[in-house]
Amino acid sequence: EAGVAQSPRYKIIEKRQSVAFWCNPISGHATLYWYQQILGQGPKLLIQFQNNGVVDDSQLPKDRFSAERLKGVDSTLKIQPAKLEDSAVYLCASSFTGTGEAFFGQGTRLTVV
Amino acid sequence: AQSVSQHNHHVILSEAASLELGCNYSYGGTVNLFWYVQYPGQHLQLLLKYFSGDPLVKGIKGFEAEFIKSKFSFNLRKPSVQWSDTAEYFCAVNANNQGGKLIFGQGTELSVKP
Repeated sequence: EAGVAQSPRYKIIEKRQSVAFWCNPISGHATLYWYQQILGQGPKLLIQFQNNGVVDDSQLPKDRFSAERLKGVDSTLKIQPAKLEDSAVYLCASSFTGTGEAFFGQGTRLTVV
Repeated sequence: AQSVSQHNHHVILSEAASLELGCNYSYGGTVNLFWYVQYPGQHLQLLLKYFSGDPLVKGIKGFEAEFIKSKFSFNLRKPSVQWSDTAEYFCAVNANNQGGKLIFGQGTELSVKP
């Protein structure tokens, strides 16, 4: 079974630039999550999709972050403009059950300089 | 607000030593509990889970965890660690009314010396 695919693996940008991350979940998983993991901390949920609808985006900084899930499959997360404090690993995860049991991708490590 | 607290940031053990990693959460309702592990260079993966029933759950690679409801705890144990257990371990909680959202602890880095 193919896992959750994310790209790119690494990205370095200057502050105020924009960046986008892509995620392809496991086939058949209706729920997709984006988490932000800052160094030394546990992952924090940014946004949760159920099919192509948003379930929870309460912790998404909507002035600069946006996310969409096209046709209920792939998803992109965008940051515009980036700030230094956005340096983190961005994790995509998907789930079939919605119980918290999720499968994670390798993540994208973003460095904002 | 819900939160998860892991007691140790970094644990160093010798092979064959016993392991216990503490995890406490704050939430008064029904929860699903998880331990996820991240081996060096790999993605987060599920180690074990508790939904209901027997509070002592067994996971992969000889790990087990015990849910103590009165203490809001879900501690991870392994009787004898191996060098290959070197990884970062995350405790996570899903509240049953929050559709799969996970609240993670800050993680515990385990280093096992050969």
